[in-house]
Amino acid sequence: ELKVEQNPLFLSMQEGKNYTIYCNYSTTSDRLYWYRQDPGKSLESLFVLLSNGAVKQEGRLMASLDTKARLSTLHITAAVHDLSATYFCAVRGGSNYKLTFGKGTLLTVNP
Amino acid sequence: NAGVTQTPKFQVLKTGQSMTLQCAQDMNHEYMSWYRQDPGMGLRLIHYSVGAGITDQGEVPNGYNVSRSTTEDFPLRLLSAAPSQTSVYFCASLSPVGGEQYFGPGTRLTVT
Repeated sequence: ELKVEQNPLFLSMQEGKNYTIYCNYSTTSDRLYWYRQDPGKSLESLFVLLSNGAVKQEGRLMASLDTKARLSTLHITAAVHDLSATYFCAVRGGSNYKLTFGKGTLLTVNP
Repeated sequence: NAGVTQTPKFQVLKTGQSMTLQCAQDMNHEYMSWYRQDPGMGLRLIHYSVGAGITDQGEVPNGYNVSRSTTEDFPLRLLSAAPSQTSVYFCASLSPVGGEQYFGPGTRLTVT
């Protein structure tokens, strides 16, 4: 059974600082997703990582995937208040389309 | 292009009532799924479908039924609502190109 672990679950940081959210998963996977969710809203897709060594960047967020270590990271550079949200990683296990989600990281960026 | 739509946005049910949550997508995606989101639990897969006429169970299927008669629609039925089904429900469809998964706006369900 595929398990996905995110850490930290809660992250409070100051504007301008850098930090990384980690997503570990337990079995082989060929696809990893990062989503953002604002309170009371749906999930917004940030990145889809398809291969080992994949790195994608959008603004102050950069995601990477190491399939050998079964680890993805979401790096936040020079955080701003607008990045405050809950971030989820989700992993596709095997050849089916089922996604398993991590529990999410609640990020709060303080002025 | 509406993407993934869900109705209703909010619903309150009494224990034992039944209802159907509607989900539709206009992107011609074969794969669709239903998730529930509870505080501190992330999203958990309820049921999914890989095409019209084909459905399968996810992680938490008990108390829910699905059917897929068309590519566009994937309704979720609660047969006899229970307070444990109080949750936010999201429907999603998956693009075969690039693997992007699109989520609907969600249905917030309360069972009293």
